[in-house]
Amino acid sequence: QQQVKQSPQSLIVQKGGISIINCAYENTAFDYFPWYQQFPGKGPALLIAIRPDVSEKKEGRFTISFNKSAKQFSLHIMDSQPGDSATYFCAARAGSARQLTFGSGTQLTVLP
Amino acid sequence: GAGVSQSPSNKVTEKGKDVELRCDPISGHTALYWYRQSLGQGLEFLIYFQGNSAPDKSGLPSDRFSAERTGGSVSTLTIQRTQQEDSAVYLCASSWSSGGGGELFFGEGSRLTVL
Repeated sequence: QQQVKQSPQSLIVQKGGISIINCAYENTAFDYFPWYQQFPGKGPALLIAIRPDVSEKKEGRFTISFNKSAKQFSLHIMDSQPGDSATYFCAARAGSARQLTFGSGTQLTVLP
Repeated sequence: GAGVSQSPSNKVTEKGKDVELRCDPISGHTALYWYRQSLGQGLEFLIYFQGNSAPDKSGLPSDRFSAERTGGSVSTLTIQRTQQEDSAVYLCASSWSSGGGGELFFGEGSRLTVL
């Protein structure tokens, strides 16, 4: 019930391409869905987040698409750059909860 | 510094030894979290502190794990009688508040290797 399932585990994209990472959840109490980006040797950092009252949120080249009925959300990285190469984690939190539940992570490699 | 500080950055220990990992959160942040990141795995919640409230220990994997937070600031995660499966990166995070959309600010982690 508390799991967030993330796919794919790894992704290789050419520079300029679109990177898409998907997450699914079961707990309908989740009401906050952030994405974190982690570079090697660093801690994760918040990239972008969405609440279920909107279906899409865009910040620069990064877009979250949210499908409440399907209980799925995804991260799209447009015009992917080598500097985007990192591990991406989706997460979710229920309003009453204190901690984030994280997906298993996607290692993105953008080839130059 | 302005960020979450963790020490040591790397710790190698022998099976059965006790280890202590330290976290110094961002000044003013009332919420503090410990997560564990194993190779190829996501972030596993361990424990959460909020102000002077009793900590949420629901994620601790066994009674060998404990944590405390002194004076509402620095936290120490203690692992007793370490096992090889405890090998992981232990991440600390802090935030202004625990609810709503509070952004978590993570440290760089303490990498624990149990031989």
